[in-house]
Amino acid sequence: DTGVSQNPRHKITKRGQNVTFRCDPISEHNRLYWYRQTLGQGPEFLTYFQNEAQLEKSRLLSDRFSAERPKGSFSTLEIQRTEQGDSAMYLCASTLGQATNEKLFFGSGTQLSVL
Amino acid sequence: AQKVTQAQTEISVVEKEDVTLDCVYETRDTTYYLFWYKQPPSGELVFLIRRNSFDEQNEISGRYSWNFQKSTSSFNFTITASQVVDSAVYFCALRLDGGFKTIFGAGTRLFVKA
Repeated sequence: DTGVSQNPRHKITKRGQNVTFRCDPISEHNRLYWYRQTLGQGPEFLTYFQNEAQLEKSRLLSDRFSAERPKGSFSTLEIQRTEQGDSAMYLCASTLGQATNEKLFFGSGTQLSVL
Repeated sequence: AQKVTQAQTEISVVEKEDVTLDCVYETRDTTYYLFWYKQPPSGELVFLIRRNSFDEQNEISGRYSWNFQKSTSSFNFTITASQVVDSAVYFCALRLDGGFKTIFGAGTRLFVKA
């Protein structure tokens, strides 16, 4: 069990550039979540995958954001035309099973800074 | 709408003191789940405990204990004899039965000084 892995750990980009983050969940976990966390706040839900299907998206996820989970394994989160307001920690979490009371296993996050 | 409130932004204690972190939640659903997570400086949130809405029994795990009271919609977390390693941000969270979204509070940053 290697835990949830996120890459890169840090990303600095200029406004208007596109960025992509990767999340590798715990290998047998079928459910994967993306959250965003800004300074002094708790994580905010962005989107949820069950296997390869994206089942829920937050209104926070504007058209500039897209997430994929091909083959139900790793996931990518892409932000197009980044804005300074996108600066945040992007957290990935995974869990196993169908129950909705399962605990989440989090990665260490990708810290995005948009200049 | 669902909401989790952690009114204490920061708490500072001296080692060996007891400390209680408050959590108040809002939901109209009757079945839900409450969680506490710890976020150390490394950034990775770590699960501490889960409580079902139909189980109000309090729980103790070593130096940690949790007090769940549906009457006041509170799920407070107490650390007994705090240690420096307890320094972290602690999040209380809520998930509705059948839902996929976990709603987090803003967190309480705990400083434990030696």
